[in-house]
Amino acid sequence: GENVEQHPSTLSVQEGDSAVIKCTYSDSASNYFPWYKQELGKGPQLIIDIRSNVGEKKDQRIAVTLNKTAKHFSLHITETQPEDSAVYFCAATSGNEKLTFGTGTRLTIIP
Amino acid sequence: DAGVTQSPTHLIKTRGQHVTLRCSPISGHKSVSWYQQVLGQGPQFIFQYYEKEERGRGNFPDRFSARQFPNYSSELNVNALLLGDSALYLCASSPTLPGPGGYEQYFGPGTRLTVT
Repeated sequence: GENVEQHPSTLSVQEGDSAVIKCTYSDSASNYFPWYKQELGKGPQLIIDIRSNVGEKKDQRIAVTLNKTAKHFSLHITETQPEDSAVYFCAATSGNEKLTFGTGTRLTIIP
Repeated sequence: DAGVTQSPTHLIKTRGQHVTLRCSPISGHKSVSWYQQVLGQGPQFIFQYYEKEERGRGNFPDRFSARQFPNYSSELNVNALLLGDSALYLCASSPTLPGPGGYEQYFGPGTRLTVT
């Protein structure tokens, strides 16, 4: 089955700087890669996703890149703000019913 | 528009008891999935339902069961509760059919289950 690894487990950046979170996946058939943000006491919130026919996708301060050959994908947050502090999860699926999640990255933005 | 709703918010049960968790998907969504999230880990897939049929099952024991109703709401049932069942149980709904290319899943706030 699919295995998703996520790094780093914790990340602290100064407000205004950029943050990068990286994930690798094992199943070459995986073709959909969402990123979720989870705040304390809440469910995961879909913030951006990318499909395997695209190499990069951007939405305002958030971007995701995908390298199918290397089987890794990354989340980039620019101009970080205090409200970006949360736990971020990557996930992968081959298009069936199941999302396989990474272990999460706790991002802390230092004012 | 209302998002995915789940009830109850919190629940405390004793080992050996049974629990039923409920989920209402986003209006118009016909697919519901259930995930278990243990503290400090990512969500783990339990079940997926579409049009009242089970479409997928994760690596969980038979003590876990679920169903989907004609209005697309869903219930997750867990029998003979163990201490290790303590977790946040998440429901996610999707607007599209499972299939190639993946599909967006939107999560509810979860039900925090504590087994003592």
